[in-house]
Amino acid sequence: AQKVTQAQTEISVVEKEDVTLDCVYETRDTTYYLFWYKQPPSGELVFLIRRNSFDEQNEISGRYSWNFQKSTSSFNFTITASQVVDSAVYFCALSEAQETDSWGKLQFGAGTQVVVTP
Amino acid sequence: DVKVTQSSRYLVKRTGEKVFLECVQDMDHENMFWYRQDPGLGLRLIYFSYDVKMKEKGDIPEGYSVSREKKERFSLILESASTNQTSMYLCAGATGAFTSDTQYFGPGTRLTVL
Repeated sequence: AQKVTQAQTEISVVEKEDVTLDCVYETRDTTYYLFWYKQPPSGELVFLIRRNSFDEQNEISGRYSWNFQKSTSSFNFTITASQVVDSAVYFCALSEAQETDSWGKLQFGAGTQVVVTP
Repeated sequence: DVKVTQSSRYLVKRTGEKVFLECVQDMDHENMFWYRQDPGLGLRLIYFSYDVKMKEKGDIPEGYSVSREKKERFSLILESASTNQTSMYLCAGATGAFTSDTQYFGPGTRLTVL
């Protein structure tokens, strides 16, 4: 079963608009970690953020912000004032600490393509 | 900075050929991973390794094998390439053996099997 769902396949925005990427996860573990990666056209996955399940504080890093809500099993990502360089595929991923079969593995969503036009 | 490199960015092979994809990391990572990426499916884990000469199957190991003779190098082997193995292959390294450890990725190898 898909453990990480990124329902948005592609989002297109005009530069300076905000864009929010949804990520919904599924786990029975009480200890787990959530990640976001960016994959620009060059292909390399770039690590953006890691959160653990016990830290529900939202985080802001420059134009990026993340909203973690355990009650809805969501870990959404917002890019404020988007720029053309933000055009990429963004992946949300889950790592479970207690589920034996999943131990040490990252489970990725299908990714969301963000297209920012000038 | 973390550095994971892959031997080729693009590779074209013929059906039935034996294919080696090489991955090297320079951050003393204990753990290394091989994924394949296909449109609409995200990344799927093929194999991973926690230590030299150790390997564990991921979610889609069929048709692949791996080798880890040295800590810094993790090779993915397609014993007899098939067209359904045309894909983007990504290698990653992580510093520890825990699920909390961040995986750092190489630039990827886009393999085409004709």
